Amino acid sequence: EAQVTQNPRYLITVTGKKLTVTCSQNMNHEYMSWYRQDPGLGLRQIYYSMNVEVTDKGDVPEGYKVSRKEKRNFPLILESPSPNQTSLYFCASSPGRGPYEQYFGPGTRLTVT
Amino acid sequence: GNSVTQMEGPVTLSEEAFLTINCTYTATGYPSLFWYVQYPGEGLQLLLKATKADDKGSNKGFEATYRKETTSFHLEKGSVQVSDSAVYFCALTDRSGGSNYKLTFGKGTLLTVNP
Repeated sequence: EAQVTQNPRYLITVTGKKLTVTCSQNMNHEYMSWYRQDPGLGLRQIYYSMNVEVTDKGDVPEGYKVSRKEKRNFPLILESPSPNQTSLYFCASSPGRGPYEQYFGPGTRLTVT
Repeated sequence: GNSVTQMEGPVTLSEEAFLTINCTYTATGYPSLFWYVQYPGEGLQLLLKATKADDKGSNKGFEATYRKETTSFHLEKGSVQVSDSAVYFCALTDRSGGSNYKLTFGKGTLLTVNP
């Protein structure tokens, strides 16, 4: 089954404790992206990757890192999480050609205390 | 920059009622338009899409027509069911500014359908 998977689905952590949220897709998509969803703000892009070893900032990259060492994986790294990073995070992928629709993972709900 | 404006709701309807969720957009280029649906506790699923003016996207009884002259992409369904209860997002992607396929989303419309 074609899908985007994320782990963990739920995470509660404390300020400053480094964490990684994994994202993997099995559709051989070139493009991958991370979004965060917050009440009243909708979904905003954090980082994106056009292909292996090619990443760039989205609209809200502060406090996050990403890497793309393999085509299928695109982990999101929070080196020193803070409470304002409490959010619902979605990974998405796209084949990288028109009409550029994106396929989303199930989401990771992160709480930083 | 790009933006999407959709009616915020919440929208509450009875089963078999007609649904319209309005969506208008601003884009610097010629965008592709999408409706995504988010069921409770789940991720976003692509509901339908349209890539050029006058295209009609349709899926599961939902329809939306790409209207370039009014920069709109309103979602409609003739007879809603309880199972349609979800949050609906209008979105666009516009590559005229570069290589980022970023989706620009509206803020979402919560639909509740009562039996």
